[in-house]
Amino acid sequence: ILNVEQSPQSLHVQEGDSTNFTCSFPSSNFYALHWYRWETAKSPEALFVMTLNGDEKKKGRISATLNTKEGYSYLYIKGSQPEDSATYLCAFNSGGGADGLTFGKGTHLIIQP
Amino acid sequence: DSGVTQTPKHLITATGQRVTLRCSPRSGDLSVYWYQQSLDQGLQFLIQYYNGEERAKGNILERFSAQQFPDLHSELNLSSLELGDSALYFCASSVEAGGAYNEQFFGPGTRLTVL
Repeated sequence: ILNVEQSPQSLHVQEGDSTNFTCSFPSSNFYALHWYRWETAKSPEALFVMTLNGDEKKKGRISATLNTKEGYSYLYIKGSQPEDSATYLCAFNSGGGADGLTFGKGTHLIIQP
Repeated sequence: DSGVTQTPKHLITATGQRVTLRCSPRSGDLSVYWYQQSLDQGLQFLIQYYNGEERAKGNILERFSAQQFPDLHSELNLSSLELGDSALYFCASSVEAGGAYNEQFFGPGTRLTVL
């Protein structure tokens, strides 16, 4: 059974502050790591798909890094804004012909004005 | 709007019943995935279809089945429903079979309540 752990479970951040959270996954049989943002009453929306050790991806104020050897990925948000409030999910795929993703339970981020 | 549609939005039924959830992928996407989000659980992968064929199976119960039709829409059939099947069911699609490398686009979900 694949285990994807995300920490912290929830996070309160002041508007304007930067923050980061972690996704841990099995370091063996790595194929891909996805990050999704899930806003309340909406559906999960893809942020990044990362496949190579050392990958760094950026979209606006949000960036992510990947370390496949040690089995972790960080998501960073710079200068948090109220619209960043959401649950951030990471999802792991170990390949082997199966394309389904194993999701963590997410980090619930609340930006306080 | 991801371009993935799911119907119905909400479904309330009784234990022992059978329901069908429907999903239409984004135009051009050949892969369809079904996920279940239960209380206190992360999104659980159930099953994937690619161009009409089953491609991968996850934690799907034997009481559940799915299919993908020639027009690429997919249906998830849930039978002999139990209280524990109450959950949010998402459908997602991606352009190719290699959904691990491609981002998946999620529909709005179907909220199933079993009473």
